[in-house]
Amino acid sequence: QSVLTQPPSVSAAPGQKVTISCSGSSSNIGNNFVSWYQQIPGTAPRLLIYDNDKRPSGIPDRFSGSKSGTSATLGITGLQTGDEADYYCGTWDNNLGPGEDWVFGGGTKLTVL
Amino acid sequence: QLQLQESGPGLVKPSETLSLTCTVSGDSISSSAYYWGWIRQPPGKGLEWIGTIYYNWNTYYNPSLKSRVTMSIDTPKNQFSLELDSVTAADSAVYYCASLPNSYGSGTLPAWFDPWGQGTPVTVS
Repeated sequence: QSVLTQPPSVSAAPGQKVTISCSGSSSNIGNNFVSWYQQIPGTAPRLLIYDNDKRPSGIPDRFSGSKSGTSATLGITGLQTGDEADYYCGTWDNNLGPGEDWVFGGGTKLTVL
Repeated sequence: QLQLQESGPGLVKPSETLSLTCTVSGDSISSSAYYWGWIRQPPGKGLEWIGTIYYNWNTYYNPSLKSRVTMSIDTPKNQFSLELDSVTAADSAVYYCASLPNSYGSGTLPAWFDPWGQGTPVTVS
């Protein structure tokens, strides 16, 4: 059970928009930057969003991130079949033990219908 | 361009020590510009952070694994390593190494993993 809560699955049609939520607390999302990762089955995760809302070079602007309070959201517009993947949020948490510990959300499986 | 590659045995016996190495190319492992991390993913499950190490050997371990984990850096080989003691079947997973760009400077931990290695599967049996 992760301290960051994501919906297990979301789905939408090609061309549509979808959002994936990541809910945490003041010990993690509330006081730290959030990053998002895309994992296509059988491959390594890839960074999509860092510092809540910044895209690395090479990531299309169809992908966006935002944060409000203790929750973060990944948005994907113009859905393509190639976007079918698992998506994970992550951040530091300073309440799991002495010091800081990295936590990932449980992951959300995106299906493009 | 930074690249990472995991290596190590794909099969480990229960109660033994799992040892993996991540070879870094494209920059020096002793650069202050990066932290280095290990993440694992059991079959069909999500990502689990194992730990993070800095060039000065500052380490940060997952509390649930801390008693069994040791991370280290081999500067001449430009590698960092993971040792996980007393493994059980629950430690079977794909193990990834990754870098964390030290973008915020001293005193603030980096906040994203990029890039990742391709991953190496480890079975405990």
